[in-house]
Amino acid sequence: ELKVEQNPLFLSMQEGKNYTIYCNYSTTSDRLYWYRQDPGKSLESLFVLLSNGAVKQEGRLMASLDTKARLSTLHITAAVHDLSATYFCAVDQFSGNTPLVFGKGTRLSVIA
Amino acid sequence: DAGITQSPRHKVTETGTPVTLRCHQTENHRYMYWYRQDPGHGLRLIHYSYGVKDTDKGEVSDGYSVSRSKTEDFLLTLESATSSQTSVYFCAIRKGGGSDTQYFGPGTRLTVL
Repeated sequence: ELKVEQNPLFLSMQEGKNYTIYCNYSTTSDRLYWYRQDPGKSLESLFVLLSNGAVKQEGRLMASLDTKARLSTLHITAAVHDLSATYFCAVDQFSGNTPLVFGKGTRLSVIA
Repeated sequence: DAGITQSPRHKVTETGTPVTLRCHQTENHRYMYWYRQDPGHGLRLIHYSYGVKDTDKGEVSDGYSVSRSKTEDFLLTLESATSSQTSVYFCAIRKGGGSDTQYFGPGTRLTVL
């Protein structure tokens, strides 16, 4: 059974600082997805990582995938308040034909 | 905007009452999913569909049933609602078979008193 673990689950960081959210998964997969959820809202797709070594960047967020280590990271550079949200990673076990398995999410709070 | 709507968006009901939530898509995607989201549990899959009349159970399917008689509609039914089913319910869609992600609907907040 595929399990997806994120850490930390809660993260309070100061504006301007850097930090990394980690996503580990338990079985072989080369497809990983990151989502963002604002309070009271739905989930929004951020990144789709489809191969070992894949790296995607959007603004102050950068996601990477190491399929050998079964690890993805979401790196936040020079955090700003607007990045405060909950971030989920999700793993695709069977190449698009089964539901994604989600981590529990990391609630990020960026404070001045 | 992935063309997904959910109805109702908010509902308050009483224990023992049947409840049906509707997910409607305009994109003709093959795969549709129902998740519930609760604090401390993240997103948990209830049921999913891989085509008209083709459905399967997810992680937390007890107390729920689904139906998909048309490509565009996926219904989630709570046969006899319980307080433990108070949650936010999200529908998601996916084309399937490739690199695309799952796209989520706006959610339905259900309260069972």
